[in-house]
Amino acid sequence: KAGVTQTPRYLIKTRGQQVTLSCSPISGHRSVSWYQQTPGQGLQFLFEYFSETQRNKGNFPGRFSGRQFSNSRSEMNVSTLELGDSALYLCASSREDRAGSEQYFGPGTRLTVT
Amino acid sequence: GDSVTQMEGPVTLSEEAFLTINCTYTATGYPSLFWYVQYPGEGLQLLLKATKADDKGSNKGFEATYRKETTSFHLEKGSVQVSDSAVYFCALRDGGRALTFGSGTRLQVQP
Repeated sequence: KAGVTQTPRYLIKTRGQQVTLSCSPISGHRSVSWYQQTPGQGLQFLFEYFSETQRNKGNFPGRFSGRQFSNSRSEMNVSTLELGDSALYLCASSREDRAGSEQYFGPGTRLTVT
Repeated sequence: GDSVTQMEGPVTLSEEAFLTINCTYTATGYPSLFWYVQYPGEGLQLLLKATKADDKGSNKGFEATYRKETTSFHLEKGSVQVSDSAVYFCALRDGGRALTFGSGTRLQVQP
């Protein structure tokens, strides 16, 4: 069974631009979560989608948004990029959105903002 | 709110040594607990999990027991290998909320 895939793997953008990252979950998984990983802040939760509905949202500004499609694929968008948005963005999928449901992570998208 | 505290790294061990990485948590509910591992340049891989008190998760020689009385979920391995060198994250998930991660512990195993 194929794992979680994320595209692109690497991205370089300029301050003020916007970016869209894509995530394809494991087949049969309906929940997709996004996390930001930086050396200073560690792993921080962005948002979670289940069956096209946003279920949870972390403490990030409105420049960060996401959506989920009917096939469970998800995208996240960051507008008006800032230098501090440079990070590894990780997507995780799980079959359900309950506590014991295991989340499986993709390889991440490394975003560099210059 | 929920939080996870891990021991500071890096942890440096010789091959075949015994490993313990401490993890304690604070949660308002009754969370599920997880250990993830991250190799350089990769995403996180689920190592093991436990969903209720006294449960023992195990995988690839790693073990962790859900201790509700001490709110702990320490990771152990009897004999580490060079290939175990990575960053290990303890995490919890409380109800329908997102995973809350610890800060990670880097393990370096020397031959």
